Amino acid sequence: GDSVTQMEGPVTLSEEAFLTINCTYTATGYPSLFWYVQYPGEGLQLLLKATKADDKGSNKGFEATYRKETTSFHLEKGSVQVSDSAVYFCALSDPIIQGAQKLVFGQGTRLTINP
Amino acid sequence: GAGVSQTPSNKVTEKGKYVELRCDPISGHTALYWYRQSLGQGPEFLIYFQGTGAADDSGLPNDRFFAVRPEGSVSTLKIQRTERGDSAVYLCASSLTGRLNTEAFFGQGTRLTVV
Repeated sequence: GDSVTQMEGPVTLSEEAFLTINCTYTATGYPSLFWYVQYPGEGLQLLLKATKADDKGSNKGFEATYRKETTSFHLEKGSVQVSDSAVYFCALSDPIIQGAQKLVFGQGTRLTINP
Repeated sequence: GAGVSQTPSNKVTEKGKYVELRCDPISGHTALYWYRQSLGQGPEFLIYFQGTGAADDSGLPNDRFFAVRPEGSVSTLKIQRTERGDSAVYLCASSLTGRLNTEAFFGQGTRLTVV
């Protein structure tokens, strides 16, 4: 079945460092890809998404490009802030195989940014 | 309300007991989802409602788990004869429709501990 694999955490960086969190997926169909973020004490929030190959999702300085050839959707940010400390989840939704409503999540990556 | 509300936020129960977890979705959202998140893992899909009906319950692990949404708004996840392995955070999400391009908004979850 469909699956998502994220780089294992935790990841600890200094403020203003460059961030990459790797995400690869396995899907039978043509999924949409998402990054969700969970800040301490809050619910999951959609950070960005891409619905087809070569699309780039972006929000709050974060970017991720849907790479069909490498089945990847890596999350990047050029200069992280302390406020970016959170748990990040990569996810997919495969409307043909799983139904548009069902998200398949990776295991999450905990990010800590030190001042 | 302003967001998805889940009650209780924490629930401790004894093995073998029955529990109910409640989800109040965002007003007007027709789609409602339940996910389960075990420690160190990403959320796993349980069930999806469109209106009052369960459109997809393929993620329910066994017949001890049941969910209802009788009036198309509030939903209750019911777990019978709880087991220690049921301990997890149960997440609820809602979206305006069940279509792929409508964002799912998550509640903060109910942490269930079975002792």
